[in-house]
Amino acid sequence: DIQMTQSPSSMSASLGDRVTITCRASQDIGNYLSWFQQKPGKSPRRMIYGATNLAAGVPSRFSGSRSGSEYFLTISSLESEDMAIYYCLQSIQYPLTFGSGTKLEIK
Amino acid sequence: QVKLLQSGAALVKPGDSVKMSCKASGYTFTDYIIHWVKQSHGKSLEWIGYINPYSGGTNYNEKFKNKATLTVDKSSSTAYMDFSRLTSEDSAIYYCARLTTPFAFWGQGTLVTVSS
Repeated sequence: DIQMTQSPSSMSASLGDRVTITCRASQDIGNYLSWFQQKPGKSPRRMIYGATNLAAGVPSRFSGSRSGSEYFLTISSLESEDMAIYYCLQSIQYPLTFGSGTKLEIK
Repeated sequence: QVKLLQSGAALVKPGDSVKMSCKASGYTFTDYIIHWVKQSHGKSLEWIGYINPYSGGTNYNEKFKNKATLTVDKSSSTAYMDFSRLTSEDSAIYYCARLTTPFAFWGQGTLVTVSS
């Protein structure tokens, strides 16, 4: 199975900060990487697909990028509504595997 | 619009089985596979498997192969997951999802609590 190592597990940032979350894949997954946001009591919502593509309706302050086997979710200017847990998901190979999640809190 | 409506919460005893449903609307049910995902309390997400509503074909995570059985009823556009021989480790929220590109859709989740 492909392991997705996500970091950090939690972080606290101030409104307006630039925030970056990282996922590293144990094997080549190309651009088959999505990022999901999950708020308490809600289902996950996809923010990024294909590593770099913004999902419909997602604010432009979110972006995805890649460097080799590392994938990044960046929020350019943190807003209060961004407080959530973020997960990465690889979909190149079954079983699909998720990262362990990053809990993002507002300072 | 696309909706996946899941069945309500279930309280079951250890050793029992539970069958949960996921009713699709707003699209042609047989055009897209349905995935099932487990989220234990406070933990990450685990992919259980998928079913192809058109063919009935399935693909399971090895971890859940003897635990989960996925079926569909095309006449009612509903996917089902049967979870057997439940233990406390199976207490979780279970989601059905259509993980297509570019649009992904999730059900609201079914909370399963295993307790005697």
